[in-house]
Amino acid sequence: DIALTQSPGTLSLSPGERATLSCRAFQSVNSRSFAWYQQKPGQAPRLLIFGASTRAAGIPDRFSASGSGTDFSLTISRVEPEDFAVYYCQQYGSSPPLYTFGQGTKLEIK
Amino acid sequence: QVQLQESGPGLVKPSGTLSLTCSVSGGSISSNHWWSWIRQPPGQGLQWIGEIFPDGRTNYNPSLRSLVSISIDNSKNQFSLKVNSPTAADTALYFCARHLTGYDAFDIWGRGTMVTVSS
Repeated sequence: DIALTQSPGTLSLSPGERATLSCRAFQSVNSRSFAWYQQKPGQAPRLLIFGASTRAAGIPDRFSASGSGTDFSLTISRVEPEDFAVYYCQQYGSSPPLYTFGQGTKLEIK
Repeated sequence: QVQLQESGPGLVKPSGTLSLTCSVSGGSISSNHWWSWIRQPPGQGLQWIGEIFPDGRTNYNPSLRSLVSISIDNSKNQFSLKVNSPTAADTALYFCARHLTGYDAFDIWGRGTMVTVSS
């Protein structure tokens, strides 16, 4: 297994502020196998970023992501009210095939 | 536009069988995609259960391999999950999801179905 650790656990910000979320893997991850999701209460996760840095269809450009190896980050340039949610990172390892998720970062209104 | 819909009993007795179905609409399940089951216990994070390809190939989370099975029915555009001898630890919101072609990510998700294991 490749464990993923997200930080911080909770991020308290005001609308308009910049959000930076981190995800660290215990072992190096292929960038093609790394993704970020947003989940709001009562909803399914929504794919934000795949391939470590590519925005999914329909995702606003205030969302950006970067990273490689063991350290990845998701940035929201200016947080909008609809961005308050839980964010998960996810990676895939092939030996054996296994998808794992981080424990999540809750972005809450300050 | 492809949509996924989970269905199954909301309450399952311990040591019974937890069975769920994911129905795919707006596209063919026989397309070049893997299809997965993912679950989320109340108030917790996400756990990948396993995946299936239209030709029947499967992969399972090693921690769940002995307890679960996934099957596909291309003619019905559905795939299914069975969890044997469920316990309270299997109480969760169960999602089905489609894999994004060429990348290891899930681009389309069902809305999820809550399953409670209790006598």
